[in-house]
Amino acid sequence: DIVMTQSPDSLAVSLGERATINCKSSQSVLHSSNNKNYLAWYQQKPGQPPNLLIYWASTRESGVPDRFSGSGSGTDFTLTISSLQAEDVAVYYCQQYYTTPLTFGGGTKVEIK
Amino acid sequence: QVQLVQSGAEVKKPGASVKVSCEASGYTFTDYAMHWVRQAPGQRLEWMGWINAGNGNTKYSQNFQGRVTITRDTSASTAYMELSRLRSEDTAVYYCARGTMVRGVILPNWFDPWGQGTLVTVSS
Repeated sequence: DIVMTQSPDSLAVSLGERATINCKSSQSVLHSSNNKNYLAWYQQKPGQPPNLLIYWASTRESGVPDRFSGSGSGTDFTLTISSLQAEDVAVYYCQQYYTTPLTFGGGTKVEIK
Repeated sequence: QVQLVQSGAEVKKPGASVKVSCEASGYTFTDYAMHWVRQAPGQRLEWMGWINAGNGNTKYSQNFQGRVTITRDTSASTAYMELSRLRSEDTAVYYCARGTMVRGVILPNWFDPWGQGTLVTVSS
């Protein structure tokens, strides 16, 4: 199984400041056939299901604010919130879909400082 | 709009089975896969398996092999997840989530959208 490791477990950021979340996979999720990284990011607010933010490591889902961006390749990925808003308080998860079983990171809780 | 609506919360005794439903609307049910993912308290999201809503083919995580059965009723645009031989560690919120198919073949992919979740509590 591909193990997804997120860091940090939690972070507190001031409103308007940048938040950076890291995700590392135990093996590469870059597919050589199409040069795409099989990595997605989700946001989960309390009492709600996860909501898709980004897929192919850097493609924003329709309707997702452009302050959210994804980067990275191979085994190391980053989700950046460029200017944290109050509504961004949530837990963020990465997920690999390179192979089954599909696996998730442990989550990063983002709070307001 | 695309929507997945799950059945209500369940309380079960150890050793029993639970069956959770997920009714889809807003899209052609048989053109997509349906996945099941669970979230136990303090644990990470865990993929359980998928069903090809078109032909009914399934694939399960080894962690649940032999205990989980995913089915669908195309006339009702509904997918089902049944988990048997329940134990306390199965207490979790269970989600259905739509996945991608291309020309009738499931692509391991992201999940979008998700159902609202169904809390299953296993307690004696």
